[in-house]
Amino acid sequence: AQTVTQSQPEMSVQEAETVTLSCTYDTSESDYYLFWYKQPPSRQMILVIRQEAYKQQNATENRFSVNFQKAAKSFSLKISDSQLGDAAMYFCAYRSRHSGSARQLTFGSGTQLTVLP
Amino acid sequence: GAGVSQSPRYKVAKRGQDVALRCDPISGHVSLFWYQQALGQGPEFLTYFQNEAQLDKSGLPSDRFFAERPEGSVSTLKIQRTQQEDSAVYLCASSLVGKVSNQPQHFGDGTRLSIL
Repeated sequence: AQTVTQSQPEMSVQEAETVTLSCTYDTSESDYYLFWYKQPPSRQMILVIRQEAYKQQNATENRFSVNFQKAAKSFSLKISDSQLGDAAMYFCAYRSRHSGSARQLTFGSGTQLTVLP
Repeated sequence: GAGVSQSPRYKVAKRGQDVALRCDPISGHVSLFWYQQALGQGPEFLTYFQNEAQLDKSGLPSDRFFAERPEGSVSTLKIQRTQQEDSAVYLCASSLVGKVSNQPQHFGDGTRLSIL
């Protein structure tokens, strides 16, 4: 079974600064997807960024980028030029890519990000 | 609709009552998932449908939990004889294609269930 660990329950960042959220995972599979989701108080999970494990290049989406270290099973999220609207709970998640395997996401316990004005 | 719709948004029930939570996925989405999110935790998988077929129910915590999707669109999660430990947010997610795993899951706003 796969597990996802987020060791930072809370983080804070000054507006316009950069923050990095950590995530590690454990799996015996070689092919999978990794995700970062954002959950504001409205509760809706919003996909921030996705990484395919077979791709060496780190994914980027505007101010959001990841540092994917497959050998270390590490998947951190960097938010640049932080904005007040980035404040939310952030979840790291894993999903197998193998056909016939489980389709569900396995989530970490989350990191609550506060953005200070 | 434009997104995944869940109802009710809030549900309060007395211990021992039965509850039913509804999920209306994005039109045309084949896959549908239910997750349970305890306070301050990440969501945990409950069950998965591909069209009307329930292909995985390994995450359902007990036989008091039952889910159905009879026509391959709307799904209902039913909890019988509710217990206090059932208090959580129940999230529904849908994705476009069943056999291909790279489609993102789109989440609803969830139903917050409180058992008194």
